[in-house]
Parts: sequence; structure tokens; C-alpha cells
Amino acid sequence: AQTVTQSQPEMSVQEAETVTLSCTYDTSESDYYLFWYKQPPSRQMILVIRQEAYKQQNATENRFSVNFQKAAKSFSLKISDSQLGDAAMYFCAYSTRAQKLVFGQGTRLTINP
Amino acid sequence: DAGVTQSPTHLIKTRGQQVTLRCSPKSGHDTVSWYQQALGQGPQFIFQYYEEEERQRGNFPDRFSGHQFPNYSSELNVNALLLGDSALYLCASSIDRVGNQPQHFGDGTRLSIL
Repeated sequence: AQTVTQSQPEMSVQEAETVTLSCTYDTSESDYYLFWYKQPPSRQMILVIRQEAYKQQNATENRFSVNFQKAAKSFSLKISDSQLGDAAMYFCAYSTRAQKLVFGQGTRLTINP
Repeated sequence: DAGVTQSPTHLIKTRGQQVTLRCSPKSGHDTVSWYQQALGQGPQFIFQYYEEEERQRGNFPDRFSGHQFPNYSSELNVNALLLGDSALYLCASSIDRVGNQPQHFGDGTRLSIL
């Protein structure tokens, strides 16, 4: 069975600095997708960034980028120039084309002004 | 363009009762998935509906059942409620067979069991 592990229950960073959230996963599939979702107190799960496993190039979305290490089954999220609005729970997730999402336990990110 | 909408927002039930949660997918989406998120945990997959049939199911008992209507909207039913069923229930929609398209989530229904 596929599993996703986030080893950092909580992280904090000063506003305008850079923070990296860790994620590892386990799968025997070769074709899959990885996601980072953000869940603020408003509860809605918001997609931050996604990565197709067949792509070697790391995905980037403005201040958000990933470090995808397929052999190590690692998928970390880097947030640059952290802003107060980035404070939320961050979930790493995995899926295949069947679309069932498997989530990690989450990392609570606090931004200190 | 409306996103995924869920109703109700909050619900309080007692043990043994039955509950129905509703979800309308994002316009153009035909697949609906349901997740249970206990407090402080990541969401857990319950099941997925496509073409009015349950296509995948997670590790949840038969007390959890669902339905998808011809307009792609969906219901989640839970019978014989237990205290452990207290959670945030999230609905997500997507387009079938387009694995690289992300699922879009609603705001969830907070279910509390007394």
C-alpha cells in the first residue's frame, strides 16, 4: 500500500525567510503524481503545487518550489519569501491515475512577523 | 464558475443516528471523492463515484455508503453513528481519467457526534 510520511508536525519561520517542508512516500508504481495542499483555518484544501513522477524537472509556482528525488522517494516543498498568509496546515499527497489521494499527517506552518 | 459546494456546513448528531451529507462538484467535473479528516490528521479516502457507481473504496465499514446522481452531485450516508465518526468530511471533484488534473475540494462538513 502507498504511504506518505511528513516527519515535521510543526515548523515556524520568520516572515520573508525561506522554509522547507519534508515529505517521503512509498510506492511500487512507476506512474504517479505528487501534490502539496494547503489547509488554512477556513478548512478548504487548496492546491499549492503538483509534480508528475515522469518529469525530472522540479515544479515551481511563484514562491513555491519542490525538490523531487524519485529514487529517494522524497518530495519536499520550499517556500521562499514567506508571508503571513502562508500560515496553514500543509499536506503532502500522492495519487495514481485512479485519482485516489493518499495524504500525509500534515505540517503546521507558523509565520512569525 | 462555482467550485465544489458542500452542505450542511456543520451538523450535530447523537450516537446511533443516521446522517446524509451532500456535495455538488465543480462545473465540468464528473468524478466525486469523499474523505474523512479527523482532528489533527490528514484526510482519509472513503470512496469515489463515477457514472453513478462506486469505483474505489477505502478502508471504511459498510455503514458508510454513497450515491451519485445524473447531474454528478453526490451524497455520503453514514448509518449507526459512532463517536469516532466525528470529523470533517471533505468532498473533492475531478475529471475522470485525467490523472494530472488535481482534485478540487469543498469547504467540508463538520460532523459532531454526541
